[in-house]
Parts: sequence; structure tokens; C-alpha cells
Amino acid sequence: NFMLTQPHSVSESPGKTVTISCTGISGSIASNFVQWYQQRPGSAPATVIYEDYQRPSGVPDRFSGSIDTSSNSASLTISGLRAEDEADYYCQSYDSSSVVFGGGTKLTVL
Amino acid sequence: QVQLQESGPGLVKPSQTLSLTCTVSGASISSGNFYWSWIRQPAGKGLEWIGRIYTSGGTNYSPSLKSRVTISIDMSKNHFSLKLTSVTAADTAVYYCARGNPWRNIDSWGQGTLVTVSS
Repeated sequence: NFMLTQPHSVSESPGKTVTISCTGISGSIASNFVQWYQQRPGSAPATVIYEDYQRPSGVPDRFSGSIDTSSNSASLTISGLRAEDEADYYCQSYDSSSVVFGGGTKLTVL
Repeated sequence: QVQLQESGPGLVKPSQTLSLTCTVSGASISSGNFYWSWIRQPAGKGLEWIGRIYTSGGTNYSPSLKSRVTISIDMSKNHFSLKLTSVTAADTAVYYCARGNPWRNIDSWGQGTLVTVSS
């Protein structure tokens, strides 16, 4: 079964840039679109990136997504970090008939 | 704008069946090309996909939960439901209902409801 693996946590200072990786296991990351969700404590997840690199309206352009087939991974990059970006981030894709989530990455803005 | 709301018992005894309903408002559950899904999150842990249903009635379930899960849809009531049998403490979690775009993102989520499995 296809799985997605993420670092447990990342941290960076305000104003800096951080990248969160999402690596595909037992399958190609490029086979299906990758989405990214932001989840703040006590709230439901919300999409920040869909279809690999698209941003929903209302999501600032500080958020960007990409796919690297050489490392079989997707990345979420957040530039100009703000305190409000501190949250859990999940990547998500598909495996034949299943929805697959990564384990989540806790972003701490120092 | 579509809204989803979970409802059901917040406390279920071990070995019993967990039943939740997700009521959809602001849109017809039968319109558009979407799937309707259940996702759960134990306290302090990540998201776990449980399964989904299409308006055609077709379903897909997580391989790890497939033997215990049934998702159904009632278009006349604009809601869909989850049944999880033989629950244990490991099934204690916040349960979310959500709407997804096939092969794309999950674009709408309920607020989530905490279900505790305890005697």
C-alpha cells in the first residue's frame, strides 16, 4: 500500500522560510495529486495547497507546493514565516481506492 | 457554501457499535461530482481516513478498518452515516465528516465530534 511520510516536527524563526517534505513509500508521488492541509489546535484541517501546487483563494502566496520525482517527494514551502503559521501540516494523496494522509508535521515558529 | 455537521453519541461502550451522522447543508448531497468521507483523529495524533461514499452508493474503506466499517448515504435527508462495530478504546477519537473532490482535495470539513469508548 502507498504511504506518505513526513518529518514529525520543524521549527524556524519569524520571517524565515521553511520547507516540509512528504515522501512517497511503495509508489510514485507523481501518480496522483498531492494536497496540503493546515490544522490549528481545536480546528478542522483546511486546504493550503491542492493539485500539487495550486492555492485556494484566501491562502497567501507565501505558501507554495512542489513535486520532486527524483526524491519521490512533495514539499510545502512557507516563506516570510508568521506566528499564525504555527500549526500541524498534513500532506494527502491517493492510492487506488484509498485516501492517504501523511503522519503530519508540527511547525513551530520560534 | 456547503456546511457539514456531525452528530451522534459522545460515549460508546466497548464492543458496541459507534454510529454517527453527517448532515449537509447549503448544497444537495446528490449534486456535483463529490465523495463524502469520514476521517478520525485520536488526541494528539494524526488524521486517519476511515472511508468514503459516492452518491452512486459506491464505497471505499480503509484496509485496516474495512471489516468493521459501513458508510451509507440518505439523499432524501441530505446526510450520510458511519457505523463502526466492535469498538475498543483505540477507537476513541475526534471524528470528522468531509466532502472530497475525486483525486483532488477534501474541500469541506465538519467541526468534528469527540467519541470516547469507555465503560
